[in-house]
Amino acid sequence: AQKVTQAQTEISVVEKEDVTLDCVYETRDTTYYLFWYKQPPSGELVFLIRRNSFDEQNEISGRYSWNFQKSTSSFNFTITASQVVDSAVYFCALRALYNFNKFYFGSGTKLNVKP
Amino acid sequence: NAGVMQNPRHLVRRRGQEARLRCSPMKGHSHVYWYRQLPEEGLKFMVYLQKENIIDESGMPKERFSAEFPKEGPSILRIQQVVRGDSAAYFCASSKTDNEQFFGPGTRLTVL
Repeated sequence: AQKVTQAQTEISVVEKEDVTLDCVYETRDTTYYLFWYKQPPSGELVFLIRRNSFDEQNEISGRYSWNFQKSTSSFNFTITASQVVDSAVYFCALRALYNFNKFYFGSGTKLNVKP
Repeated sequence: NAGVMQNPRHLVRRRGQEARLRCSPMKGHSHVYWYRQLPEEGLKFMVYLQKENIIDESGMPKERFSAEFPKEGPSILRIQQVVRGDSAAYFCASSKTDNEQFFGPGTRLTVL
């Protein structure tokens, strides 16, 4: 079965703190993509990153970094020195690599960054 | 190159009315997906269409919901006789190949 679990429903931090959002997934596929999306209060989905299952290299983009560990089926997302503008709901998602397959989304983690 | 467009962005209907949600895929994209996001939840797949064909409708409720993607024009998600439980955000995504799906801004349906 394909499943994405985001166990943290809501996290509150104070500005400039680091925060890690957890994502654990299950899949039968040997090749797949993992994604993170941001959904600000305005409601649209903002693409953050896509990783394929071949590439376990961690990635850093500015204050954002992602830790992909195939051995534990996890794809965690860390925001360094959080800012108020980071307040949003963050979704982790899984999709098979081929066959125009659909996304499986986690239930989301709501991040509140307080000034 | 415009992104995926959805309209209306907000739709209010009374119970029993019909709701029509439109999705115009990105230029050159012939694959469309519809997802539903209930309040406080993640997005759930509903249906996948190619031009004039429904490929996978495993996530669609069996009654009152239908989708089409005609040869010309946008994809339409139609909900007949809406109920309060249909209140949600409906997202459309489009793709040209199986590597990239681009999401639209969503339509927020409120059923009074």
